[in-house]
Amino acid sequence: NAGVMQNPRHLVRRRGQEARLRCSPMKGHSHVYWYRQLPEEGLKFMVYLQKENIIDESGMPKERFSAEFPKEGPSILRIQQVVRGDSAAYFCASSAGTGGVSDTQYFGPGTRLTVL
Amino acid sequence: KQEVTQIPAALSVPEGENLVLNCSFTDSAIYNLQWFRQDHGKGLTSLLLIQSSQREQTSGRLNASLDKSSGRSTLYIAASQPGDSATYLCAVRFSGSARQLTFGSGTQLTVLP
Repeated sequence: NAGVMQNPRHLVRRRGQEARLRCSPMKGHSHVYWYRQLPEEGLKFMVYLQKENIIDESGMPKERFSAEFPKEGPSILRIQQVVRGDSAAYFCASSAGTGGVSDTQYFGPGTRLTVL
Repeated sequence: KQEVTQIPAALSVPEGENLVLNCSFTDSAIYNLQWFRQDHGKGLTSLLLIQSSQREQTSGRLNASLDKSSGRSTLYIAASQPGDSATYLCAVRFSGSARQLTFGSGTQLTVLP
């Protein structure tokens, strides 16, 4: 059973370009979470999705950031018109979400975004 | 405000020592608490999850305890090894939050051979 997969692992963009980060949850997991780790800071929650639904986006910046988790395919975190302050490691996690130990969130290796 | 704090920020111990990492949280209304390790520049590895109804969980040389009333959790590592060197993160799912985890800033552990 493969773990959470994220790609690309490293992404370089110039200011003003778009960044697309992909996350494939663990098999059987229908809950996906995105977190951001800024340099020298802790992990911060961004958004929580289930298939085709955004459940909680309270940690997502109001502008330029969007997320989706379509019925088929990976979850996508999209950042439009990137700025240098978006440079960070973006982690995706997934869980089965059926209660108890199934609430354990498993993390992917992250995508490290560098904005030049 | 719901916050998670980890002290100390860094810890260095000789190989073989038993050690305790601390985590505190501001709101005792939690659903669960999870401990992770993060190797430098890498992703997070889940170590243990404690439900709010539990007092402790054990996995190998690791034992995590939870005291909701005092807002504290500890991660005990027995017989530490150089391979245990990593940053250890505590994360809380507070009740009322839609499954999101609130993370502490971590304790960077170095086990010296």
